[in-house]
Amino acid sequence: DGGITQSPKYLFRKEGQNVTLSCEQNLNHDAMYWYRQDPGQGLRLIYYSQIVNDFQKGDIAEGYSVSREKKESFPLTVTSAQKNPTAFYLCASSTTGRPYEQYFGPGTRLTVT
Amino acid sequence: GQNIDQPTEMTATEGAIVQINCTYQTSGFNGLFWYQQHAGEAPTFLSYNVLDGLEEKGRFSSFLSRSKGYSYLLLKELQMKDSASYLCARGGDSSYKLIFGSGTRLLVRP
Repeated sequence: DGGITQSPKYLFRKEGQNVTLSCEQNLNHDAMYWYRQDPGQGLRLIYYSQIVNDFQKGDIAEGYSVSREKKESFPLTVTSAQKNPTAFYLCASSTTGRPYEQYFGPGTRLTVT
Repeated sequence: GQNIDQPTEMTATEGAIVQINCTYQTSGFNGLFWYQQHAGEAPTFLSYNVLDGLEEKGRFSSFLSRSKGYSYLLLKELQMKDSASYLCARGGDSSYKLIFGSGTRLLVRP
């Protein structure tokens, strides 16, 4: 079955540590995205990539980094520079042609204490 | 959300009909999406409108008026499982990059 996987579902880290969230898709989509969602809020775009070895900052990229070395994979690193990293992180992918609906992974809930 | 407005919360009764409105900035418009998100889960795609009019898909319908920058999601024969957040999103200037609203939390009561 095609889809997007994110692991782990829950992640706990101490303040000051970098942490990498994984995202893998086997939908053969060119575009991939990372969103952050805070309680009762909508989705805010962190980074997106439309092709291997290329990615663009979204609205809230500060304190985050990404890589896109393979079409299937788009890991997100939450660095110690991110001031408020506790949130629900969602990865998505889409085609780059219409209707380009985004398919979401199950999400990773990160708690930093 | 960036230039997208939708009500924060709505309440409706099981078996009834509810309409969730969404208004958006019309410049650079490139399609309108509706997603459903249950608490703690990922959003799932419901509908996509790029032309004016009504798109019907079972109990759910979505309407778009491009000139007014307005869309609505209509849910008929409400069921308890329809209690969720409903996210409105528009295609932005970069075509496939979506801009999401803050979502409407719908509570369905018996």
